[in-house]
Parts: sequence; structure tokens; C-alpha cells
Amino acid sequence: AQRVTQPEKLLSVFKGAPVELKCNYSYSGSPELFWYVQYSRQRLQLLLRHISRESIKGFTADLNKGETSFHLKKPFAQEEDSAMYYCAISSGSGSRLTFGEGTQLTVNP
Amino acid sequence: NAGVMQNPRHLVRRRGQEARLRCSPMKGHSHVYWYRQLPEEGLKFMVYLQKENIIDESGMPKERFSAEFPKEGPSILRIQQVVRGDSAAYFCASSSRQGAYEQYFGPGTRLTVT
Repeated sequence: AQRVTQPEKLLSVFKGAPVELKCNYSYSGSPELFWYVQYSRQRLQLLLRHISRESIKGFTADLNKGETSFHLKKPFAQEEDSAMYYCAISSGSGSRLTFGEGTQLTVNP
Repeated sequence: NAGVMQNPRHLVRRRGQEARLRCSPMKGHSHVYWYRQLPEEGLKFMVYLQKENIIDESGMPKERFSAEFPKEGPSILRIQQVVRGDSAAYFCASSSRQGAYEQYFGPGTRLTVT
């Protein structure tokens, strides 16, 4: 069964500091991995997906199959990055998403 | 495009009543997914539907829960004889094609069972 683990429920950094949100997964096939973000009073939205290999709002995430990780990183955090971040994996059929429990990131001024 | 719409945003039901949650997908989307988020937990998949078909209901509780996505109108998640443990946020997402390429989420319906 697929599973996503986000070990940190809360993460607090200062503006300008690097930030890394951890995500580990277990899945027997070839995974598709995503990061979703939910800003205060807004709906959940896709931040990035590993197949795109893109950088969104300065965030990047690299899939490490050896460590089964998909950590989200940003070199210089901004206050507007404060939000709830969810790591998610898609099933073999490519339909359902399995989410981690989320990490609440707070960027302090 | 107004995005995925869900109503009501908040729903209060007494134990034993029925709850009906509605989801209108984005224009042009024919794939709908329902997720449930219990307090202090992540979102958990419940069911995946296309127009008039249930594709994957492996996350649905076996009793009291049902879902439909008719040819016309919104998708409905129905919970019969609600219990306190059904209190949660229920999110709907839609996509234009099968797969998790991009699922667009609605604002959610917060169900409270008293």
C-alpha cells in the first residue's frame, strides 16, 4: 500500500533562511509525486510535481528513489510562503492521490 | 472559470440525519474525486467518478456513504444516518482527464455532527 510521511507537523523559519519540508513515501511501483499548498483561507492548490522538474515560487523538489524521498526546498524563505504544505503520491492507476498529514510552515519576519 | 464549487460550505446535522454534499467540477472537467479530512489528519481518498460511473470507490466506507455524478448536475456525496465520527472536511477535486496530472480542489464542506 502506498503511504506518505511528513515527519514535521510544524516548521518555523526566519525570512531569508533556507527551508526544507520533508516527505518520504512508500510505493511499490513508479510513483508520481506532488506538493500541494494551502494558503490561509484559500483552497488547496498544486505547487509542483516531480515529472515537470520545474521551480514554482522558488520551490524545487527532487525525487530520490534510493531514499524514497521528495523533499521540498527553497533557498530563501519569504513571509508569503507561510502555509500548509502537503506531499502527495498518485496510485498506479494514476487517479487517486494519497496525502501526507501536512506541514504548517511559518516564515517569521 | 469559477473553479470547483462545493456547497454548502458548512453543514450541521444531528446524529441519524442525512448529509448531502454537492460538488460542481470546473467547466470541461468530467472527472471528480472526493476526499475526507478528519481533524489533525491529511486528506484521504474516498471515491473517483466520471460522468454516470463510479471508477474507484475503494476509499468509501462500506455502509451509509454513497456518491454519484449524474449526466446533468453536480456530483453528490451522500451520508446516511450520520454519526459524530463523520464530522470532517470533505473536499472535492476535478480534472480534465484521468490521472493525477492536476486535480483542482474545491473549498471544501465542513460537516459537523451534533
